[in-house]
Amino acid sequence: LAKTTQPISMDSYEGQEVNITCSHNNIATNDYITWYQQFPSQGPRFIIQGYKTKVTNEVASLFIPADRKSSTLSLPRVSLSDTAVYYCLVGLYNNNDMRFGAGTRLTVKP
Amino acid sequence: GAVVSQHPSRVICKSGTSVKIECRSLDFQATTMFWYRQFPKQSLMLMATSNEGSKATYEQGVEKDKFLINHASLTLSTLTVTSAHPEDSSFYICSALPGQGHYEQYFGPGTRLTVT
Repeated sequence: LAKTTQPISMDSYEGQEVNITCSHNNIATNDYITWYQQFPSQGPRFIIQGYKTKVTNEVASLFIPADRKSSTLSLPRVSLSDTAVYYCLVGLYNNNDMRFGAGTRLTVKP
Repeated sequence: GAVVSQHPSRVICKSGTSVKIECRSLDFQATTMFWYRQFPKQSLMLMATSNEGSKATYEQGVEKDKFLINHASLTLSTLTVTSAHPEDSSFYICSALPGQGHYEQYFGPGTRLTVT
């Protein structure tokens, strides 16, 4: 199992860029890295997924170094509505490795 | 994008009764669905993995006779909490995998179960 470690919480201010790093030292060769966002009393929402280097979509970027032992979710210019818990998951679905870590509680302040 | 629904969104039941929660993938077929439970201020806890047409695989410590999972079709999985007790009160969330090269899960909106 590729266990993940994230900071428990982070604070930021509106308009700032936020980077949340996840450590996954024992990531396997076929594992993908996926990030989810969860608001209170809602199911998690898929943000971004990557395997190596950099991936960017309309809401975030994901940076993965060459050794893949960590990954960084980058949220550009956060707003109050980005206050949520962010989870990174590492695994391949057919390994049934869909276990969440503790996540990072991001609080965006005005 | 892929949409997963859950029904009901909220349910209150009396201790000793059973409750069924449905999870549907609305616009894709899901050979694999997952069931999670989440207590306040905590992370999601995987309860079981459900594969269409076969028995669910339960995580250690999850009673399979109490949490019955049925995945009868490629778009529907159900979780039945049998003989519910107040300690079963929680937020239950399902997710589905589209498969076919997709490795991201799509989650339902969750079901808030309160057992009185």
